Amino acid sequence: GENVEQHPSTLSVQEGDSAVIKCTYSDSASNYFPWYKQELGKRPQLIIDIRSNVGEKKDQRIAVTLNKTAKHFSLHITETQPEDSAVYFCAASEVRGTYKYIFGTGTRLKVLA
Amino acid sequence: NAGVTQTPKFQVLKTGQSMTLQCAQDMNHEYMSWYRQDPGMGLRLIHYSVGAGITDQGEVPNGYNVSRSTTEDFPLRLLSAAPSQTSVYFCASRPSNNEKLFFGSGTQLSVL
Repeated sequence: GENVEQHPSTLSVQEGDSAVIKCTYSDSASNYFPWYKQELGKRPQLIIDIRSNVGEKKDQRIAVTLNKTAKHFSLHITETQPEDSAVYFCAASEVRGTYKYIFGTGTRLKVLA
Repeated sequence: NAGVTQTPKFQVLKTGQSMTLQCAQDMNHEYMSWYRQDPGMGLRLIHYSVGAGITDQGEVPNGYNVSRSTTEDFPLRLLSAAPSQTSVYFCASRPSNNEKLFFGSGTQLSVL
């Protein structure tokens, strides 16, 4: 079945450094790749997404890159701040087909002041 | 708009009890889904629906039932609760013309 692998499971960085989280998907029909941030005790919130016809998307300090051939996509956070500390989830979906979203297992990011 | 509303926020059950987790959205979203979140496992899809009267199984459907009699509501039923169903449950919805998934605030369920 469909699968999304996410690495690393935990990541600690110094404030101001960059953080990179990587995901690999198995279903070649996937065409939409969102990233969610979940703070402790809260619901997941969408922070950025990318569609399969785009290779890179940036929004201020966060960016996502997609390599369709290799079936992997990555989240990049630059100039990290303490408020970036959270769990980040990637997901893959075929939005005009099954409507199913398959999530990665999450990355706990700690930004050390 | 209230968005996606889940009730209850917390629930403790005994093994073998049944209960229904409620999910309602007031955004006229066609797609609704249920996920469970366990430590180190991410969000796993239980059941989903692409419209009233249509439901389908996700990754981990065993032990759970759903129905979609209206566009607004998508309840999740546990017929005979087991300790393995201790988890945080999230309901999520999206419209047919937008990929963005909106999550409810979650239900923390403990089965003793």
